[in-house]
Amino acid sequence: QSVLTQPPSVSAAPGQKVTISCSGSSSNVGNNYVSWYQQFPGTAPKLLIYEDIKRPSGIPDRFSGSKSGSSATLGITGLQTGDEADYYCGTWDGSLNAGLFGGGTKLTVL
Amino acid sequence: EVLLLESGGDLVQPGGSLRLSCAASGFRFTSYAMSWVRQAPGKGLEWVSGISYSGDSIYYADSVKGRFAISRDDFKNTLFLQMNSLRVEDTAVYYCANSQGVIITTLGHWGQGTLVTVSS
Repeated sequence: QSVLTQPPSVSAAPGQKVTISCSGSSSNVGNNYVSWYQQFPGTAPKLLIYEDIKRPSGIPDRFSGSKSGSSATLGITGLQTGDEADYYCGTWDGSLNAGLFGGGTKLTVL
Repeated sequence: EVLLLESGGDLVQPGGSLRLSCAASGFRFTSYAMSWVRQAPGKGLEWVSGISYSGDSIYYADSVKGRFAISRDDFKNTLFLQMNSLRVEDTAVYYCANSQGVIITTLGHWGQGTLVTVSS
């Protein structure tokens, strides 16, 4: 059981929008920056969002991040079949003095 | 181009040891904190350990504390993970990654991973 809680799966049709939540506590999400990663099977994760809302260069603006209190959200608009992947949130936990990842969310584009 | 190349993964018996390496190139290694992240077969990501750019600050997940040791050689642009007292549950692909941004867990670039299998 991960300290950061993500839904195991989400799905939506091509062209639609989906959101993935990441729920934590004041020791992690509530007081530290959250990042989001995309991982395709058999490959390394890729940074999508960092410092809650920022996108690295090359990441399309279809991907967005937000945070409120101890919950962060990844939004993906204009869904494409190529977006089918696993998505993870990550942050620091000041009580554990360690990094954390959510359990991951599998996105299916129907 | 940023490249991170892990090596050292192998099949090892429970209780054994392994040393993983991560050769970095394409960025100023001495300016970046680094982390190890692992992924057990069919499972999610688990942050394992991190080291500050200076090497002065080192952090571990509770699951590996006291058994694993992270270090860096800034002359060789290489990150290491010494893994002792290995357990079956340490079986995973181990990734190294560099940090960008203000916190160590913003992992900007990742290697391709190296597989560690702990089994008798």
